[in-house]
Amino acid sequence: AQSVTQLGSHVSVSEGALVLLRCNYSSSVPPYLFWYVQYPNQGLQLLLKYTSAATLVKGINGFEAEFKKSETSFHLTKPSAHMSDAAEYFCAVRPYNNNDMRFGAGTRLTVKP
Amino acid sequence: KAGVTQTPRYLIKTRGQQVTLSCSPISGHRSVSWYQQTPGQGLQFLFEYFSETQRNKGNFPGRFSGRQFSNSRSEMNVSTLELGDSALYLCASSLDGTGGTEQYFGPGTRLTVT
Repeated sequence: AQSVTQLGSHVSVSEGALVLLRCNYSSSVPPYLFWYVQYPNQGLQLLLKYTSAATLVKGINGFEAEFKKSETSFHLTKPSAHMSDAAEYFCAVRPYNNNDMRFGAGTRLTVKP
Repeated sequence: KAGVTQTPRYLIKTRGQQVTLSCSPISGHRSVSWYQQTPGQGLQFLFEYFSETQRNKGNFPGRFSGRQFSNSRSEMNVSTLELGDSALYLCASSLDGTGGTEQYFGPGTRLTVT
């Protein structure tokens, strides 16, 4: 069965600093990988997804993620944090051969002025 | 195109009662998934429906049930409510729920059990 581990339940950065949110997956078959963001009292919004077309995936709001099979990782990055990036971020994995989607525990990002 | 809608947005129930939550997917989407989100357990998958059939189920007791109608709208029901059922219940729709197709989430229904 596939699973996702997000390293760090809380990450704090200064405005303008690099954002790095870590995600490692385990899957016995090639996976599809997703990053979602959740703002308070709202549902989840898709930031980006990996579907094997390219290892470096660009998403909305300046975020991108790189799929590294050798490290089983799919870390999310953004070169310069904005105050509006403060939210909770979820990594998710789904194997290519079924519809069982699993989410990580989430990482809460705080952006300091 | 309208997004995923969930009703009601907030609900307060008493222990022992039952509750029904509703989800209307994006037009054309045939897969609807339900999740429970709590601070302690995070996002947990409840079940997924596709073309009126439950296709996948998470590890929840039988008190949690759902169904999907021919227009893809879905409902979930929780019977004999417990305090621990207090959570944000999220519904997500996708075209077919497989592979790389993304899920679009609704705003959720916040259920409080007293």
